[in-house]
Amino acid sequence: EDQVTQSPEALRLQEGESSSLNCSYTVSGLRGLFWYRQDPGKGPEFLFTLYSAGEEKEKERLKATLTKKESFLHITAPKPEDSATYLCAVQGGDSGNTPLVFGKGTRLSVIA
Amino acid sequence: DAGVTQSPTHLIKTRGQQVTLRCSPKSGHDTVSWYQQALGQGPQFIFQYYEEEERQRGNFPDRFSGHQFPNYSSELNVNALLLGDSALYLCASSLGPIQGYFYNEQFFGPGTRLTVL
Repeated sequence: EDQVTQSPEALRLQEGESSSLNCSYTVSGLRGLFWYRQDPGKGPEFLFTLYSAGEEKEKERLKATLTKKESFLHITAPKPEDSATYLCAVQGGDSGNTPLVFGKGTRLSVIA
Repeated sequence: DAGVTQSPTHLIKTRGQQVTLRCSPKSGHDTVSWYQQALGQGPQFIFQYYEEEERQRGNFPDRFSGHQFPNYSSELNVNALLLGDSALYLCASSLGPIQGYFYNEQFFGPGTRLTVL
């Protein structure tokens, strides 16, 4: 069974204090790893898709990386508006269609 | 470019009642997936619709059913509501299969907050 574990559960940073969020996964044949941002009471907002180990993607202050067992979301010089829950999800399997499996998320708070 | 829309935004029901939630996919998308998100948890997959058929189903009872219409919009129906059904219900849309594979780069709607009393 595919599993995703995110750590830490919650992270509090000062504005400008860089850090990383971790997503560890167990999947039968990774087809894609996805990062989403979710604000309270709203739907997840798509950030990145990573397909293979060694791949990296960047968007503004965020950079996602992928290894064979985990993914990191690096946040450089965060601002208060980066405060949100960050969700990681994987799609695995050899069949043509398998659903996404999500982690519980990391709740990030950035203090001015 | 219209994103994923859901209605209603909020809903309050009592135990035993039935509810219907609606979703319109992002322009150009033909596949719709539904998720349940309890407070403090990640989204849990309910089912996926493509070409008006249920293609995949998660670990949810038959009380949860759905439908997809020819215009790709979708409904989620929940019968005999339980207190535990209280959650944020999310709809996500994506493109249909490419060479037989569904690439699940999904875009989510704002969700419907269901409260069961």
